[in-house]
Amino acid sequence: DAGVTQSPTHLIKTRGQHVTLRCSPISGHKSVSWYQQVLGQGPQFIFQYYEKEERGRGNFPDRFSARQFPNYSSELNVNALLLGDSALYLCASSLEGSGANVLTFGAGSRLTVL
Amino acid sequence: GQQVMQIPQYQHVQEGEDFTTYCNSSTTLSNIQWYKQRPGGHPVFLIQLVKSGEVKKQKRLTFQFGEAKKNSSLHITATQTTDVGTYFCAGYGNKLVFGAGTILRVKS
Repeated sequence: DAGVTQSPTHLIKTRGQHVTLRCSPISGHKSVSWYQQVLGQGPQFIFQYYEKEERGRGNFPDRFSARQFPNYSSELNVNALLLGDSALYLCASSLEGSGANVLTFGAGSRLTVL
Repeated sequence: GQQVMQIPQYQHVQEGEDFTTYCNSSTTLSNIQWYKQRPGGHPVFLIQLVKSGEVKKQKRLTFQFGEAKKNSSLHITATQTTDVGTYFCAGYGNKLVFGAGTILRVKS
């Protein structure tokens, strides 16, 4: 079985642009969470979706949005990119929507904003 | 809000020495999870602790959950070069919050 897959793996954008990151969860997992990891820090929670509904939102500005599709894949969108948005964006899937579930992370999308 | 602190930030040990990282939460947790991230990689789940005072072992790794369910530790006995990476705790109160991690370097 495939693990959590994310695309693209690397991308470079300039300030003010928009980016869309994609994630496919493990087959059978219905929950997807998004995390931002800045170099030298732990993953910071952005969103959690379960059965296409938002279950949680971290302390991120409205420039960040996400959605989950009927096949449980997910997209993270970031508008009006800032230099500080440069980070590794991690998607994690879990069986259910409870935050107590174990997370399986994808390899991440590394975003560089110039 | 819920905060999770980890110490030390960084530890460099000689191969064969022991290593311990500590995790403290500002709030009582339902469970705590530990993850390992190799350099250039992504976090990989190690273990979950749920019960007060729980101790779990995985070969040379020993995980403890405090009696008050606000702190936890990971102890590695006789470190090996394969143990290199960053160890994160993640505490679940009403959401899963990661600590900043402890970077482990092992000198052979």
